[in-house]
Amino acid sequence: EAGVVQSPRYKIIEKKQPVAFWCNPISGHNTLYWYRQNLGQGPELLIRYENEEAVDDSQLPKDRFSAERLKGVDSTLKIQPAELGDSAVYLCASSRRGEGTTEAFFGQGTRLTVV
Amino acid sequence: AQSVTQLDSQVPVFEEAPVELRCNYSSSVSVYLFWYVQYPNQGLQLLLKYLSGSTLVKGINGFEAEFNKSQTSFHLRKPSVHISDTAEYFCAVIQGFGNEKLTFGTGTRLTIIP
Repeated sequence: EAGVVQSPRYKIIEKKQPVAFWCNPISGHNTLYWYRQNLGQGPELLIRYENEEAVDDSQLPKDRFSAERLKGVDSTLKIQPAELGDSAVYLCASSRRGEGTTEAFFGQGTRLTVV
Repeated sequence: AQSVTQLDSQVPVFEEAPVELRCNYSSSVSVYLFWYVQYPNQGLQLLLKYLSGSTLVKGINGFEAEFNKSQTSFHLRKPSVHISDTAEYFCAVIQGFGNEKLTFGTGTRLTIIP
């Protein structure tokens, strides 16, 4: 079974430029998460989807960040325009919501450097 | 609000020595607790989880953790570490049944000294 796939692995952009990250969750997983991990910190939730619905986006900076999950499968996270402080690793995770609490599986992340 | 505290940012340990990584949480309701490991330039991998039942949980790679409700702790232990255990370890919590929001601690960097 393939794991959570993210692309690109690395991205370097100049500030004020747009950038997009893509995530393909594990097949059959209806819950998808985007986390941001700053250097030396734990991951922080940006947004969580249940199928195609964003059920928790309270930590997403909506002035410059946007996300979508069309058809409830793949997801894209976009930043426009990027700022120096956006440099971080962006992690995507997925889980299968069922009885009880389930395990979230993480992708390898996209390391964003804004210069 | 739920929060997770990892008391040690860095833990150096000699190879084959035991190790304990500390984790405390704050919550007034039932919690589900997790330990994840992150190797360099990799995503997070689940080591073990506590959902209910026995308070001693065994995970992969010889790790185990004990849920202590009175101490609000979920410390991770391994009796004998190996060089390959060098990584960042994150404690995480989900508060309440049906809530899928996973909140992480700041991590503990475990360094194994040969």
